[in-house]
Amino acid sequence: GQSLEQPSEVTAVEGAIVQINCTYQTSGFYGLSWYQQHDGGAPTFLSYNGLDGLEETGRFSSFLSRSDSYGYLLLQVLQMKDSASYFCAPTGGGNKLTFGTGTQLKVEL
Amino acid sequence: NAGVTQTPKFQVLKTGQSMTLQCAQDMNHNSMYWYRQDPGMGLRLIYYSASEGTTDKGEVPNGYNVSRLNKREFSLRLESAAPSQTSVYFCASNKQGLNTEAFFGQGTRLTVV
Repeated sequence: GQSLEQPSEVTAVEGAIVQINCTYQTSGFYGLSWYQQHDGGAPTFLSYNGLDGLEETGRFSSFLSRSDSYGYLLLQVLQMKDSASYFCAPTGGGNKLTFGTGTQLKVEL
Repeated sequence: NAGVTQTPKFQVLKTGQSMTLQCAQDMNHNSMYWYRQDPGMGLRLIYYSASEGTTDKGEVPNGYNVSRLNKREFSLRLESAAPSQTSVYFCASNKQGLNTEAFFGQGTRLTVV
């Protein structure tokens, strides 16, 4: 079977740090990606974790623990433009890429 | 470099009508995907094609068919549209393998009345 859980909504202030958690159950798990989607737009790739540990890309970092079936996206020095939906997306067997229901991040002044 | 191109961008159908959503990518990607996105439901996988010549069902395949016409093109067909298929449809593609970024088309906004 397959399941994905992430919080539906997170609110934070500009300049703060926010962490979006994701737990998954995926057959033939390869790795975990994160995508950003602004209202009315298409999802865009942020990061990928194939191995346990932290991957850093500018203000964004992503973490994976394969043994816990858990990952998170860390956004630092939040900016208003970071207000968007964020999706965790595990890749499973047969290159099957699925998405969670997404976390809507609201950045306030 | 066009990336992933979906057509049409908008469509209104009457219940029972059929239509095909087209998707093409020019990045030489092996894998292609069709998703639908409804408010509060995230992106749900309809069908995917891991490589040319193969297609597999995703989470919500009922009411849809797909064709992987060649490596570039992956079409989604609604044989008899229903109001429940009103949604935004996204096509995506990526290379097969590890650390593969998926690229998305701009979406097709479909309304079935």
